[in-house]
Amino acid sequence: QKEVEQNSGPLSVPEGAIASLNCTYSDRGSQSFFWYRQYSGKSPELIMSIYSNGDKEDGRFTAQLNKASQYVSLLIRDSQPSDSATYLCAVNSYTGGFKTIFGAGTRLFVKA
Amino acid sequence: EAGVVQSPRYKIIEKKQPVAFWCNPISGHNTLYWYLQNLGQGPELLIRYENEEAVDDSQLPKDRFSAERLKGVDSTLKIQPAELGDSAVYLCASSTDRDRNEQFFGPGTRLTVL
Repeated sequence: QKEVEQNSGPLSVPEGAIASLNCTYSDRGSQSFFWYRQYSGKSPELIMSIYSNGDKEDGRFTAQLNKASQYVSLLIRDSQPSDSATYLCAVNSYTGGFKTIFGAGTRLFVKA
Repeated sequence: EAGVVQSPRYKIIEKKQPVAFWCNPISGHNTLYWYLQNLGQGPELLIRYENEEAVDDSQLPKDRFSAERLKGVDSTLKIQPAELGDSAVYLCASSTDRDRNEQFFGPGTRLTVL
């Protein structure tokens, strides 16, 4: 089992729709969770961080965390073609020593 | 505020040659990371520094890779000798503290080993 798992996609949604990206993690000791956006040929860019259970909203983005289910998600409302990118989930874990684990990412295509 | 700076952006070398990458983190960021990213994969940690101390180098292939962060600011990652399988993007990131650990990435160095 991978430590951080994401559906590789591609996930295709029409412009204006809600895109839902999911991530599961294996280490129950995980404390901090992040979503990064990576355009093709570019480096990852932090878009959301979440540290406690529940929802966190920032503009069109909402991160959702459920530690009991070891699940974190990212919702993108009113998706735009410019949102087309790979979205990386990253998890901080402290079990056995501090480490940050990235998922392999989900490719999102927003069709105009 | 300037972001993380990396150089060079691209490097093409022949196998068995040495190569070095340089990173200057965001001012005030004590923690610095070097990652390797292969196509279609997430970044994989090579080494993490807190100030000038390498606190996690468990994934660094020490037979050919080395890194340093003198004075706790900029850092250099070296490969000697390079192998074909080292072709990847090498990313540097920095953060202010380990607890929140919001990491900010540089543009990366794309290495091609022929």
